[in-house]
Amino acid sequence: GESVGLHLPTLSVQEGDNSIINCAYSNSASDYFIWYKQESGKGPQFIIDIRSNMDKRQGQRVTVLLNKTVKHLSLQIAATQPGDSAVYFCAENTGGFKTIFGAGTRLFVKA
Amino acid sequence: NAGVTQTPKFQVLKTGQSMTLQCAQDMNHNSMYWYRQDPGMGLRLIYYSASEGTTDKGEVPNGYNVSRLNKREFSLRLESAAPSQTSVYFCASSEARSRGNSPLHFGNGTRLTVT
Repeated sequence: GESVGLHLPTLSVQEGDNSIINCAYSNSASDYFIWYKQESGKGPQFIIDIRSNMDKRQGQRVTVLLNKTVKHLSLQIAATQPGDSAVYFCAENTGGFKTIFGAGTRLFVKA
Repeated sequence: NAGVTQTPKFQVLKTGQSMTLQCAQDMNHNSMYWYRQDPGMGLRLIYYSASEGTTDKGEVPNGYNVSRLNKREFSLRLESAAPSQTSVYFCASSEARSRGNSPLHFGNGTRLTVT
């Protein structure tokens, strides 16, 4: 699913809580991973990325964790705000120019 | 900076009609991409251009053609539109030169309906 999908996995959190969005990627050869945020009516927006030689990377209020053993990626958002409500996509790249997107997770932030 | 600009924002076509979706970026990026986004299918790559003068097929190229007009512009053409091409189309660009290890910067999409 994606921003217009009817059957997106959904995460609902209270404002101020931390959010964790999970993603399983498919290709063990992928070496570059990216998280995007998509708000309604807009294109996906880059949040944070990580390369396969790392297992953790932090940005402003966001942290990405990579577990290559089980091909799992997660995005942690600290002190979630109403403006964080959106659809979040993980994406993987195996070194060529083709970035493969996951199905997306919709985050609802309750005030 | 405007980033990635797509035109038109909305379009309705009848089956069999043709049209060209326009995309321009002002970030001096090397690579450009066209994706489509459908409910339940995520974003799928149609075509990409690794650099000016080159284009390559992505995951779902059938029914589309592209032109990398110059470094800034990358257009997507539907020669004979079909209802299955009803979708939201996104153009993106990236600094990536030799491999796709830079994030994509997206436009805000063209919402296309084919009746």
